[in-house]
Amino acid sequence: QQQVKQSPQSLIVQKGGISIINCAYENTAFDYFPWYQQFPGKGPALLIAIRPDVSEKKEGRFTISFNKSAKQFSLHIMDSQPGDSATYFCAAFLQGGSEKLVFGKGTKLTVNP
Amino acid sequence: ETGVTQSPTHLIKTRGQQVTLRCSSQSGHNTVSWYQQALGQGPQFIFQYYREEENGRGNFPPRFSGLQFPNYSSELNVNALELDDSALYLCASSRERQGSGETQYFGPGTRLLVL
Repeated sequence: QQQVKQSPQSLIVQKGGISIINCAYENTAFDYFPWYQQFPGKGPALLIAIRPDVSEKKEGRFTISFNKSAKQFSLHIMDSQPGDSATYFCAAFLQGGSEKLVFGKGTKLTVNP
Repeated sequence: ETGVTQSPTHLIKTRGQQVTLRCSSQSGHNTVSWYQQALGQGPQFIFQYYREEENGRGNFPPRFSGLQFPNYSSELNVNALELDDSALYLCASSRERQGSGETQYFGPGTRLLVL
C-alpha cells in the first residue's frame, strides 16, 4: 500500500515530441506528489509537484495531470529536448507516516536529436 | 545546484566493516532525510532527523543509524556492512518538519561499494 508504481521503465522520444510518464498509487493518505529529475552522477532535483486538490499543474514545458479517483498521475514533457534525457522519478509524500517520500522506480528518458 | 553537500563522494569498504557518511544541509534547513538508491532503482527512505531527533524511519535494520548536530548537519552510520549495502546514499534537507510536503533538496550522494 506504500508503493508508487511507475511506467514505462524506459522511453525513447524524438526531439520535439511529447514524453509521457505514468504513476499509480494505492494509499489515499498520500497528499503531495513531486516529480524528480536525475542526471547520471547527480542527486534528484525537484522538477514539479502537485497536491491532490488540483487536477493539472503546468510549469513551462512540464505538466502534471492528476486523477484522484483513479489514483494516478502523470508527467508530460512537451517539445522534448535532448537535454531532457535523464531519469525521472515520481514520488508521493505521506504526512504523518514513517516512510515520508515514497519513490517510483524511475523512467529513463532518451530524447534523440 | 542545491546547497546540500555530502562527503565523501565515493567509498569502497569490505563486508563487515563500518562506514560513516556525512551531509551538510542547505542554509536555513533544519530537517535532514537519508535515502538509499540501489542501481536502477528509486531512492528508498532510511530515516529523517528533525532538530537532532529521529523523526520517522523506513524499513532498514538497526545497523543503519544516524545523528544530527546542532548546526543541522548529519551523519549516516552503517555497521556490519553487507554486499547489498552497495548503493548511492542520498541526503536531502528541507526547511521544516515534513508535515506539509515541504520540498526536499537532495545532495549529489555518496557512492558506496562493499566488496
